[in-house]
Amino acid sequence: DAKTTQPTSMDCAEGRAANLPCNHSTISGNEYVYWYRQIHSQGPQYIIHGLKNNETNEMASLIITEDRKSSTLILPHATLRDTAVYYCIVRRANSPGGRSNSGYALNFGKGTSLLVTP
Amino acid sequence: DAGITQSPRHKVTETGTPVTLRCHQTENHRYMYWYRQDPGHGLRLIHYSYGVKDTDKGEVSDGYSVSRSKTEDFLLTLESATSSQTSVYFCAIKGTGTGELFFGEGSRLTVL
Repeated sequence: DAKTTQPTSMDCAEGRAANLPCNHSTISGNEYVYWYRQIHSQGPQYIIHGLKNNETNEMASLIITEDRKSSTLILPHATLRDTAVYYCIVRRANSPGGRSNSGYALNFGKGTSLLVTP
Repeated sequence: DAGITQSPRHKVTETGTPVTLRCHQTENHRYMYWYRQDPGHGLRLIHYSYGVKDTDKGEVSDGYSVSRSKTEDFLLTLESATSSQTSVYFCAIKGTGTGELFFGEGSRLTVL
């Protein structure tokens, strides 16, 4: 799975858009970009994922550059409850077989600690 | 809500005692995972299962065993707990989409 690079920490004012960048310059053509977040003491929460096109759901938008070497997670109107660690993960969606490649397990790096301030 | 329940949520035990953590799911998903999370290390995969009686090791499997005798339950066992196994343990299942994992609320284990 391709390696990702994220800033260690970011701040955002409440009500403003939070734009969290992720670099994945070694991404392969069949690898997806997944975003998760972890609010203190809770289990990681799935946010969104994409392959090449931009994606949007009720939580966030995912913008992937045309060359797919980087992406940005956008929280359009950040609230205090969005304070969390955000993880960008790259991996194939469909690994061949059940046992190979840790059975679809995701490798979590250190992520970006986002602080939303009043 | 992916219907994942972890038990116990909190446990304090002594070095050398056996401990079993249970992950229960209600939606018949094939893949289940156990991770541990420690300060400075992030989330690390311990073991995973790709079906009943089918399990494999992850990154940090030493000192842990798992069992999956039925689809809904994935058990993580520490045969003889050590202080280095003090951690928060998260269970996850793979949803039916394109690779998303859904996590439980975690089990905090303290080994004295």
